[in-house]
Amino acid sequence: DADVTQTPRNRITKTGKRIMLECSQTKGHDRMYWYRQDPGLGLRLIYYSFDVKDINKGEISDGYSVSRQAQAKFSLSLESAIPNQTALYFCATMGENTGELFFGEGSRLTVL
Amino acid sequence: RKEVEQDPGPFNVPEGATVAFNCTYSNSASQSFFWYRQDCRKEPKLLMSVYSSGNEDGRFTAQLNRASQYISLLIRDSKLSDSATYLCVVNRGGTALIFGKGTTLSVSS
Repeated sequence: DADVTQTPRNRITKTGKRIMLECSQTKGHDRMYWYRQDPGLGLRLIYYSFDVKDINKGEISDGYSVSRQAQAKFSLSLESAIPNQTALYFCATMGENTGELFFGEGSRLTVL
Repeated sequence: RKEVEQDPGPFNVPEGATVAFNCTYSNSASQSFFWYRQDCRKEPKLLMSVYSSGNEDGRFTAQLNRASQYISLLIRDSKLSDSATYLCVVNRGGTALIFGKGTTLSVSS
């Protein structure tokens, strides 16, 4: 099983719908992240969390919210999806000693 | 100016070639540096960390120049399996890692 698991892996939805992307990890890391990737724009940070009580906005948080339900779970929500939120979304955890990011396999979201 | 900038390429090289990628960063307070590799439609994975003294891992060599705020990755004896996108990543401390847009490498036989 993967250390960082994202669900769903693929989702097609319509403008205005609420969408939740879920992430769970078995690495025991405190630090968790949500990134989105768009062609030509690279990976951009949406939100990050250093522990259950610590949530921080990244560079592109508008239109998104997150919930850190437990050390192992960090979910990303789009309250009212819009087409320009069509992207590949990655969840990641970070090992504190090495600074290495461990990514999930990604969630491909299409908003029509 | 973007915080982390890379030449997007693509770099098209034959097998056996040596190829170098460059990356510049704008925040002088940046503390740690990495190269990640991303295959098409897959998640990024750590290739190597970059240290001030330079470091080597087999055919891969990474260099850091703090004075010029510049990072490099050298790949010797390129293999077909090296074809991927290489992401320059910077940690400015206290927050998350910041990614460059990536440099695409295509190695052909």
